[in-house]
Amino acid sequence: DAKTTQPTSMDCAEGRAANLPCNHSTISGNEYVYWYRQIHSQGPQYIIHGLKNNETNEMASLIITEDRKSSTLILPHATLRDTAVYYCIVPDSNSGYALNFGKGTSLLVTP
Amino acid sequence: SAVISQKPSRDICQRGTSLTIQCQVDSQVTMMFWYRQQPGQSLTLIATANQGSEATYESGFVIDKFPISRPNLTFSTLTVSNMSPEDSSIYLCSVGPSYEQYFGPGTRLTVT
Repeated sequence: DAKTTQPTSMDCAEGRAANLPCNHSTISGNEYVYWYRQIHSQGPQYIIHGLKNNETNEMASLIITEDRKSSTLILPHATLRDTAVYYCIVPDSNSGYALNFGKGTSLLVTP
Repeated sequence: SAVISQKPSRDICQRGTSLTIQCQVDSQVTMMFWYRQQPGQSLTLIATANQGSEATYESGFVIDKFPISRPNLTFSTLTVSNMSPEDSSIYLCSVGPSYEQYFGPGTRLTVT
């Protein structure tokens, strides 16, 4: 698996943009970056994924650097309900679609 | 998308007993996964359960301890056998056509 590195925790004020970084310097050319989040006492929730182009959906934006060695998940207007653990995952293409969850970033959105 | 339910949502069990966890999906899916989340930890894959084939277990997990059934495309069970306090965890199932997966709410198991 391409190893990912994320900060352990981050804070963000409600209404501001939350920018969550992820390093994946060993990523291969055909490996995607996936982001999930897990709100307390719930199962993980898929957010977004990308290969090399920036992606946006109703939940978030994903910015991938040109060398693909890092990415940033952006929650444009964080709310208290966005408080969760965010996981950046680069799945192994030989994993049979299993997800390798690391430790993730614990995001706390404050009033 | 898929809606996934799990039963029971939580249970407290005595050591040495077994618990079967059910995972029900509202649509037919080929791939289903079972994960364990120990207290304060991230998720760890237990096994992949594709309909029509034997479950594939990850290193550290064995069929005798975690037998899995996958009788059809909308249902699976995971049994935690001969439980010990170390089995106290949240057990989650997920489904997906790919890496974009949908997770159940989890079963919180406490073994005393």
